[in-house]
Amino acid sequence: AQSVTQLDSQVPVFEEAPVELRCNYSSSVSVYLFWYVQYPNQGLQLLLKYLSGSTLVKGINGFEAEFNKSQTSFHLRKPSVHISDTAEYFCAVSPLSGGYNKLIFGAGTRLAVHP
Amino acid sequence: NAGVMQNPRHLVRRRGQEARLRCSPMKGHSHVYWYRQLPEEGLKFMVYLQKENIIDESGMPKERFSAEFPKEGPSILRIQQVVRGDSAAYFCASSEAAREARSNEQFFGPGTRLTVL
Repeated sequence: AQSVTQLDSQVPVFEEAPVELRCNYSSSVSVYLFWYVQYPNQGLQLLLKYLSGSTLVKGINGFEAEFNKSQTSFHLRKPSVHISDTAEYFCAVSPLSGGYNKLIFGAGTRLAVHP
Repeated sequence: NAGVMQNPRHLVRRRGQEARLRCSPMKGHSHVYWYRQLPEEGLKFMVYLQKENIIDESGMPKERFSAEFPKEGPSILRIQQVVRGDSAAYFCASSEAAREARSNEQFFGPGTRLTVL
């Protein structure tokens, strides 16, 4: 079985400051890793994903994440946030096996960017 | 190319009524996933369907909930005799029919917010 822990339920930050949203996972098998963003009253949008290869993954809107296998972490970072980044962010994993992605989500981190 | 469509966006039901949620996948997608998001929680997997087949329903409550994805038309998530605890946002996602899991990116719809009075 897999589980995902997002260590911060809310992260307030000022505009143009850097931010890191933390994600740790637990799994007995290898997994794919994902970060999704959810704007108010909308569905989820994929920010980035780690499947294999380089452990530093770059995504849309200037976000990046680093996969750390030894620490079972996949933290999301952005060097300078904008007001428009205010949203809920979800980390998710999917077991490698099988022909489909059965996503297991964390509880989410609410990022609030203040002017 | 239209994205994943869900309707209705908001649904209000009284206890004991039935709720029917519809999901039209993206054009060319034949795989559909349903997730439920309870207040202040992340999304929880419910069911994965291909056309006319339920592949994985391990996240679906055993009673009152059912899902289908017919050959023609949208996927339907049906909740019978709704209770207050069913109040949640229900999201549908769709993906292509690719052999490799890594190709199967899921695209999410805007969700249906069910309120049970």
